[in-house]
Amino acid sequence: DTGVSQDPRHKITKRGQNVTFRCDPISEHNRLYWYRQTLGQGPEFLTYFQNEAQLEKSRLLSDRFSAERPKGSFSTLEIQRTEQGDSAMYLCASSSVDGRAFYEQYFGPGTRLTVT
Amino acid sequence: AQTVTQSQPEMSVQEAETVTLSCTYDTSESDYYLFWYKQPPSRQMILVIRQEAYKQQNATENRFSVNFQKAAKSFSLKISDSQLGDAAMYFCAYRRLGADGLTFGKGTHLIIQP
Repeated sequence: DTGVSQDPRHKITKRGQNVTFRCDPISEHNRLYWYRQTLGQGPEFLTYFQNEAQLEKSRLLSDRFSAERPKGSFSTLEIQRTEQGDSAMYLCASSSVDGRAFYEQYFGPGTRLTVT
Repeated sequence: AQTVTQSQPEMSVQEAETVTLSCTYDTSESDYYLFWYKQPPSRQMILVIRQEAYKQQNATENRFSVNFQKAAKSFSLKISDSQLGDAAMYFCAYRRLGADGLTFGKGTHLIIQP
């Protein structure tokens, strides 16, 4: 069990460019979550997947954001036409939901995005 | 909407002493979970302790314990015998039963003085 991994760890892009981040969850975890954390704030929930189905999206997820989990394993988060306000740490987490009421979310190290 | 408030941006404690981090939350739900997460510098967030709202007994994990006051919507974290490795950002988080997204507070930066 290697933990949740994210790639890249850092990304610098110019305003208006598109960026894509990848998250590899803990193997066999069926749920995958994306959060955004800006400086001095706690993480904010963006969206989550149960296997390949995207089940919930926060109103924070504007039309410029799209997330996929095509085969129920890794996930990608794409931001189109980046804005300076998109600069943040993007965190991925995964969990194994097996009918229990409680399940822990395991977080990855995050991708730090800087939009110049 | 649920909100989580951590009123202490920064706390400092001497090594081996005890420190309490505060958290209050606002919800109209009766069933939910509360969590404390630790985020060390440049490292990933890890779960420290959790509390189910239906349980009256306060959760304890080794040196970490909580004081859960459901009526007051308060959920504080007590760290006993503070160690240098406890230095980190601590986030209080809430999750409604049946939902999946966590709602976090802004965090408390804990400094351990040697």
